[in-house]
Amino acid sequence: GDSVTQMEGPVTLSEEAFLTINCTYTATGYPSLFWYVQYPGEGLQLLLKATKADDKGSNKGFEATYRKETTSFHLEKGSVQVSDSAVYFCALSSGGSNYKLTFGKGTLLTVNP
Amino acid sequence: EAGVAQSPRYKIIEKRQSVAFWCNPISGHATLYWYQQILGQGPKLLIQFQNNGVVDDSQLPKDRFSAERLKGVDSTLKIQPAKLEDSAVYLCASSKPPYEQYFGPGTRLTVT
Repeated sequence: GDSVTQMEGPVTLSEEAFLTINCTYTATGYPSLFWYVQYPGEGLQLLLKATKADDKGSNKGFEATYRKETTSFHLEKGSVQVSDSAVYFCALSSGGSNYKLTFGKGTLLTVNP
Repeated sequence: EAGVAQSPRYKIIEKRQSVAFWCNPISGHATLYWYQQILGQGPKLLIQFQNNGVVDDSQLPKDRFSAERLKGVDSTLKIQPAKLEDSAVYLCASSKPPYEQYFGPGTRLTVT
């Protein structure tokens, strides 16, 4: 079945540091890939997505590229801010008639001033 | 545009009691999902509705969990009787496939 493995946290960085959170997946067919973010006390929000190989999703300075050959979708940001502190979830959807999301376990990011 | 609404936000019950959660999706979204998020894990799909029909309930513990979506709009998720391992955040999401899912704030359930 579908599965997502992401980098275990927590990750602690200083402001303006470079961020990478690794994500790899196992799926049948050609899934769509997502990064969701959960800020403290809030619900999940879609951060970015990619629907086919070599697509790059980007939003709010975050980027991730759909790499079919390595089955990966790593999240990167060049310069993190304190406001980026949150839990980040990698997810996939195999589509078809069922668009359910399969999530990784999440990575807690804390950015210190 | 109003987001996905859920209530209550928090609930504490004793084991073997029953509990119900309510979700109101974004207007016009035909698909509604209930996810269970146990502390330290990613959300896991419990049940998916398309309008008022069930698309996928393969991971719903049907001996204790039930869900309905009357008139294809609001939905309720019920647990009866609750167990300690049901302590989790219950997330409702809605979408207009194939577009993204929008999540509500969740209901945090503690079973003591």
